[in-house]
Amino acid sequence: QQQVKQSPQSLIVQKGGISIINCAYENTAFDYFPWYQQFPGKGPALLIAIRPDVSEKKEGRFTISFNKSAKQFSLHIMDSQPGDSATYFCAASMQGGSEKLVFGKGMKLTVNP
Amino acid sequence: GAGVSQSPSNKVTEKGKDVELRCDPISGHTALYWYRQSLGQGLEFLIYFQGNSAPDKSGLPSDRFSAERTGGSVSTLTIQRTQQEDSAVYLCASSSRTGLLSYEQYFGPGTRLTVT
Repeated sequence: QQQVKQSPQSLIVQKGGISIINCAYENTAFDYFPWYQQFPGKGPALLIAIRPDVSEKKEGRFTISFNKSAKQFSLHIMDSQPGDSATYFCAASMQGGSEKLVFGKGMKLTVNP
Repeated sequence: GAGVSQSPSNKVTEKGKDVELRCDPISGHTALYWYRQSLGQGLEFLIYFQGNSAPDKSGLPSDRFSAERTGGSVSTLTIQRTQQEDSAVYLCASSSRTGLLSYEQYFGPGTRLTVT
């Protein structure tokens, strides 16, 4: 049972374009939704995160949109740059207990110059 | 400040051998996590430590896998009698578990394990 489903699996955009990555979750007990960025040979790096009490959070060129009723959240990368080319993972966890992260399968983003 | 560090960065071992992977969390972080990243399974949780205790071991795939944490800091993940399916990148993460940033987990660079 895949608790967090991520799409698409890969995406190619042109420099300056908008990259959109979508995730859906099943467990309504999840209350923390981070996005991680991973470059080859490196560990995942926390990019931005949101909690269900807000519908949108923006940090620089990165925006998370959250739809609690649909159990979906998405990452928008504005003005995509070649340096954004990486694998992006959405994740979810719940307060209390281990707060372990449940990850989506990841999406490989390629931004062409 | 220093981030999460892991050693070795790469490990090649023969099937049937035991291996130990080390994680040094961010100083002061009480929570420590081990995850495994493989092509087929993505990123999977293995075990969680709060201090030196491991209240959640639910992700360990078999009894060949064990982990410990000492002094509320360094952790070691041990895999006994390694199998080829153990080949993966083993990632460690730590979290402060205090205040508003209690959820944020910071990952190390990982140890790439190859079992031949």
